[in-house]
Amino acid sequence: SQKIEQNSEALNIQEGKTATLTCNYTNYSPAYLQWYRQDPGRGPVFLLLIRENEKEKRKERLKVTFDTTLKQSLFHITASQPADSATYLCALSGAGSYQLTFGKGTKLSVIP
Amino acid sequence: GAGVSQSPSNKVTEKGKDVELRCDPISGHTALYWYRQSLGQGLEFLIYFQGNSAPDKSGLPSDRFSAERTGGSVSTLTIQRTQQEDSAVYLCASTRGLAGVGETQYFGPGTRLLVL
Repeated sequence: SQKIEQNSEALNIQEGKTATLTCNYTNYSPAYLQWYRQDPGRGPVFLLLIRENEKEKRKERLKVTFDTTLKQSLFHITASQPADSATYLCALSGAGSYQLTFGKGTKLSVIP
Repeated sequence: GAGVSQSPSNKVTEKGKDVELRCDPISGHTALYWYRQSLGQGLEFLIYFQGNSAPDKSGLPSDRFSAERTGGSVSTLTIQRTQQEDSAVYLCASTRGLAGVGETQYFGPGTRLLVL
């Protein structure tokens, strides 16, 4: 069966460092991979999307990589700030599919 | 513009009662999703509406759960004879089109349901 793993439930990092979150998947051939941010008591908010034929995508301090051979995406936040503290979710969808399958998320805490 | 709204934001009910959760998607968005998020768990897909097509109900956990979408806009998720295991956050999301063509999902704030 399809499986998505975000291999850290929680990640603590010092302010100013680069946070790296991992999303691995099995039994899946996604066409699109998305990253969302979720704050306590709120719904997820879209951050970045990367396509299967793209290796890397950047947006301000965020960078996403997508390795379809390793079946892995890495999500980086450079120069992390306490305001970046949140849960980050990865989500996959197949070509032409309307369903997004979400990982359980990684809770990031940026310590001042 | 206005985002996805959900009501109520919190609902406490007694076991065995019925509850109705409402979702107002972004105007013009054709697709609407319901998810359930339990503590420490990922988002669990429940149901999907796309335009006038028949909904995909494959994620509904039991026949106590049902949903409808009226006029291609507002959606209501109904849980009959609630059980304690139904306690969770119910999230609604809408997209302009198909997620499989790279559409992002816009989420509402969720309804926190507690069944006593």
